[in-house]
Amino acid sequence: AQSVSQHNHHVILSEAASLELGCNYSYGGTVNLFWYVQYPGQHLQLLLKYFSGDPLVKGIKGFEAELIKSKFSFNLRKPSVQWSDTAEYFCAVKSTSGTYKYIFGTGTRLKVLA
Amino acid sequence: KAGVTQTPRYLIKTRGQQVTLSCSPISGHRSVSWYQQTPGQGLQFLFEYFSETQRNKGNFPGRFSGRQFSNSRSEMNVSTLELGDSALYLCASSLSDSIAEAFFGQGTRLTVV
Repeated sequence: AQSVSQHNHHVILSEAASLELGCNYSYGGTVNLFWYVQYPGQHLQLLLKYFSGDPLVKGIKGFEAELIKSKFSFNLRKPSVQWSDTAEYFCAVKSTSGTYKYIFGTGTRLKVLA
Repeated sequence: KAGVTQTPRYLIKTRGQQVTLSCSPISGHRSVSWYQQTPGQGLQFLFEYFSETQRNKGNFPGRFSGRQFSNSRSEMNVSTLELGDSALYLCASSLSDSIAEAFFGQGTRLTVV
């Protein structure tokens, strides 16, 4: 069965610290990969997406993610977090054929201390 | 362009009642998906519609149903509400192809008492 695991449920960092949020997926075919962010009181927004090509994907606000196919991982990184990065982060996969639904992870709540 | 619009934003219902939620997708988007978001569970896929046809359905009981109209607007209905149905219900629209990203609405917060 398709699944997405986000192992870090809550992360607390100080400003300027580096961030890495883990995401592992389980899927038998080719997938597209996404990271979404939900700021407090706001709707889900796309941070970045991977379709093909370079496994290192750069997104908005200084975020990036690296796909490691051999490990089925798509971890999100940011070298230096800001207080405004406090939000919930969701990893998602979508099949490239057949279904058109997203499978989301359970999310990681990030709190950045000023 | 206008984003995904969900109405109402908040609802309080009692057990046993039914509820209908509405979603207006971004203009030109023909795919509409619904998700249930609860703390600790993340987003659980409910169903996806494209051109008035349900293409995918998640693992939810038959009390959860939906439909899509010819203008791509979608409604979701939950009958015989249970306390566990309390959640944020999110609607997302996208173009039809597999690489298209989903654009989410702000959701409808349903509280069942």
